[in-house]
Amino acid sequence: SQQGEEDPQALSIQEGENATMNCSYKTSINNLQWYRQNSGRGLVHLILIRSNEREKHSGRLRVTLDTSKKSSSLLITASRAADTASYFCATDGGNFNKFYFGSGTKLNVKP
Amino acid sequence: EAGVTQSPTHLIKTRGQQATLRCSPISGHTSVYWYQQALGLGLQFLLWYDEGEERNRGNFPPRFSGRQFPNYSSELNVNALELEDSALYLCASRGDHPWGYNSPLHFGNGTRLTVT
Repeated sequence: SQQGEEDPQALSIQEGENATMNCSYKTSINNLQWYRQNSGRGLVHLILIRSNEREKHSGRLRVTLDTSKKSSSLLITASRAADTASYFCATDGGNFNKFYFGSGTKLNVKP
Repeated sequence: EAGVTQSPTHLIKTRGQQATLRCSPISGHTSVYWYQQALGLGLQFLLWYDEGEERNRGNFPPRFSGRQFPNYSSELNVNALELEDSALYLCASRGDHPWGYNSPLHFGNGTRLTVT
């Protein structure tokens, strides 16, 4: 499978703490994207990192990419209860028009 | 701009019946993707349409089919429904972006299909 795999499968933290989730993939990529899914709804795009980038920031989000290890991490700083959701990474398998999703990390932020 | 819209929100069918799910992409988006998400699991790629043509297909049986209309809206048909087809079906659209092909997917809120 070319799909990314997120780790851990579930994460529970207190509001204000940082949350880190990881994604590993198997094939070469052009870019890797992270999405959030609130319960039973569609996914929302969070951030994209290109294969030639190592780190990217967007607000409280920080994404890193290590193409040598075929892995990425998403850090959410100063988490809020509203961050409670499932988070998915999506890789393109080297094809700009393809999107392979992992099984997601379910984040629970307790108030 | 209006987002991706899917209809119906919920659909209940009996095993053996056919289901038709609809998707309207964001205005100006020509690519439509369909995904199946079984309860608590990840997204499984079903179909990709662009400019009215099927461009790629996931590892699903032929009873999963679809089409894209001239206005870029799309329809997913599932024939001979089986119990394991019960899932959230997500549609996403994608358009050109200043980044070129590195443009994200925009998802609708899905159709929850229940097969009894």
